[in-house]
Amino acid sequence: DAKTTQPNSMESNEEEPVHLPCNHSTISGTDYIHWYRQLPSQGPEYVIHGLTSNVNNRMASLAIAEDRKSSTLILHRATLRDAAVYYCILRDVVCLWSCGGTSYGKLTFGQGTILTVHP
Amino acid sequence: GAVVSQHPSRVICKSGTSVKIECRSLDFQATTMFWYRQFPKKSLMLMATSNEGSKATYEQGVEKDKFLINHASLTLSTLTVTSAHPEDSSFYICSAPEVNTEAFFGQGTRLTVV
Repeated sequence: DAKTTQPNSMESNEEEPVHLPCNHSTISGTDYIHWYRQLPSQGPEYVIHGLTSNVNNRMASLAIAEDRKSSTLILHRATLRDAAVYYCILRDVVCLWSCGGTSYGKLTFGQGTILTVHP
Repeated sequence: GAVVSQHPSRVICKSGTSVKIECRSLDFQATTMFWYRQFPKKSLMLMATSNEGSKATYEQGVEKDKFLINHASLTLSTLTVTSAHPEDSSFYICSAPEVNTEAFFGQGTRLTVV
């Protein structure tokens, strides 16, 4: 799997935007960029994903560089509940023989970025 | 959205005993499930891929005889830690990918072997 590089930790104040960077210089053409986050003592949860174009959803925005070698997860207004470890993961599309659609392969987690949000 | 339920959330067992952890996909069918292990302040490490109706695929360095995986139905995969030792104490997490969407994770099982 292509590797991603993230800062070990970042800090933010509540109500301020947060930009979490991720480098993935060896990304292949079929790799999707996925972001998951893990709150303390919980399983990871999906945040957002994209291929080439910037993406927005209710949780965050994902800005993808034109050459796709880096991306940035944007939390528009950080809250205390956003304090978590954020993982940037590259996933290839695996359409199984009976998948009936697009299925992604296993998630390989790097070290992630520990986000601390100050009140 | 789709939910993956993992049980138990916490378990304490004596050294030498076996512990079974269940992972269920509640509103979708999962032909594949993934099992991860996470030590304190570390990232998730993939242990094995559970395949419905066939043998699990283990990652390098993971003992298949120690970590028994059974994917008996399209909604249930189990991980049994056999002859548990204190070094097996960890946070175990299962995941199930759904077609056309993201992967869903269980809430995790904290295993403590005493």
